[in-house]
Amino acid sequence: DSGVTQTPKHLITATGQRVTLRCSPRSGDLSVYWYQQSLDQGLQFLIQYYNGEERAKGNILERFSAQQFPDLHSELNLSSLELGDSALYFCASSDHRGVRGEQYFGPGTRLTVT
Amino acid sequence: DQQVKQNSPSLSVQEGRISILNCDYTNSMFDYFLWYKKYPAEGPTFLISISSIKDKNEDGRFTVFLNKSAKHLSLHIVPSQPGDSAVYFCAAKLSGGGADGLTFGKGTHLIIQP
Repeated sequence: DSGVTQTPKHLITATGQRVTLRCSPRSGDLSVYWYQQSLDQGLQFLIQYYNGEERAKGNILERFSAQQFPDLHSELNLSSLELGDSALYFCASSDHRGVRGEQYFGPGTRLTVT
Repeated sequence: DQQVKQNSPSLSVQEGRISILNCDYTNSMFDYFLWYKKYPAEGPTFLISISSIKDKNEDGRFTVFLNKSAKHLSLHIVPSQPGDSAVYFCAAKLSGGGADGLTFGKGTHLIIQP
């Protein structure tokens, strides 16, 4: 158990809809990262927050957004969903401002868009 | 452009023998390299990392070797155990104080045969 929690575990929704994925980092971790894992791709970095502020952006679509709240939990919002957005979404956290790179991953949310 | 490549999608090794997983990278600005292990329906679990200024890091049965001139790293597991059967991801972090997410390879599925 990494100490990172994600809800929900599974989500099934229709094209065009909007969903929110939630992540609670390990106790004391200030950085939260979101990743997407599709069938034909490895893990793709989407976005990083550090202590409430956006710190880095990866391959995140404009239809996706995220935020980190004062209690350090984070939410990833996916809107105007397309079939290709079906994937596993992982949240990770770290406590060294990512200097050494170790990130601790949650169990993921499996999103299915029909 | 895939900056971190794991060219073997799968590897089968007998229990008790050495498992060697390989990873190649293209970006000279990576300053840390990491290995993650992933079981089905779970998030990736951090295994071991190495700084770009080192050539070897050891932790129990796991050793990572880095050859900077060849832009190649490998993970050795000795001896291999049944519980080591999982997908192994190689990942890399760009230098710059931790403001970026990790870049992952597509993974190698390690199967330990009894």
